[in-house]
Amino acid sequence: EAGVAQSPRYKIIEKRQSVAFWCNPISGHATLYWYQQILGQGPKLLIQFQNNGVVDDSQLPKDRFSAERLKGVDSTLKIQPAKLEDSAVYLCASSRLAGGMADTQYFGPGTRLTVL
Amino acid sequence: QKEVEQNSGPLSVPEGAIASLNCTYSDRGSQSFFWYRQYSGKSPELIMSIYSNGDKEDGRFTAQLNKASQYVSLLIRDSQPSDSATYLCAVIVNNDMRFGAGTRLTVKP
Repeated sequence: EAGVAQSPRYKIIEKRQSVAFWCNPISGHATLYWYQQILGQGPKLLIQFQNNGVVDDSQLPKDRFSAERLKGVDSTLKIQPAKLEDSAVYLCASSRLAGGMADTQYFGPGTRLTVL
Repeated sequence: QKEVEQNSGPLSVPEGAIASLNCTYSDRGSQSFFWYRQYSGKSPELIMSIYSNGDKEDGRFTAQLNKASQYVSLLIRDSQPSDSATYLCAVIVNNDMRFGAGTRLTVKP
């Protein structure tokens, strides 16, 4: 079974530029999560999708971050415009079941973003 | 008070020893608890989940949960150098998974 795929693996941009990350979850997984992990900290949930609907985006900075999951499969996370404090690893995870964060989450390799 | 607190370490143990990792949480209503391992530069991977008070064993790993004390721990028996990693405690809070900052473990040969 293929794991969670993410691209790009690394991205360097200047502040105020835009950037987009892509995630392909494990086939058949209903729930998809985007996390931000700043160096030295644990992952912080940004948004949770169940199929193609948003379940929780309470910690997503909506003035600059947006995310979508079209057709309930792939997802993109966009930052526009980027700030220095957005430098972090962006992790995508998926879980098989719908409707519960208690389900096992499988993480992708992450995208390391550096904002200069 | 942080929602999930861990000692950042580093924790250093000799090969073959027992490593003890601790985590406290603030939400008394939390019901689901997880331990993830994260190697440097890699993504987290689930080691164990625990939902009931007491101990849960899986191979060399034992998770311990005490809801009255709001405390969850992970014991690693017969520690190996390959166990050197950051261990993240995660707790479901208001239907969101909250992670601690992690404890960095080094197992010395």
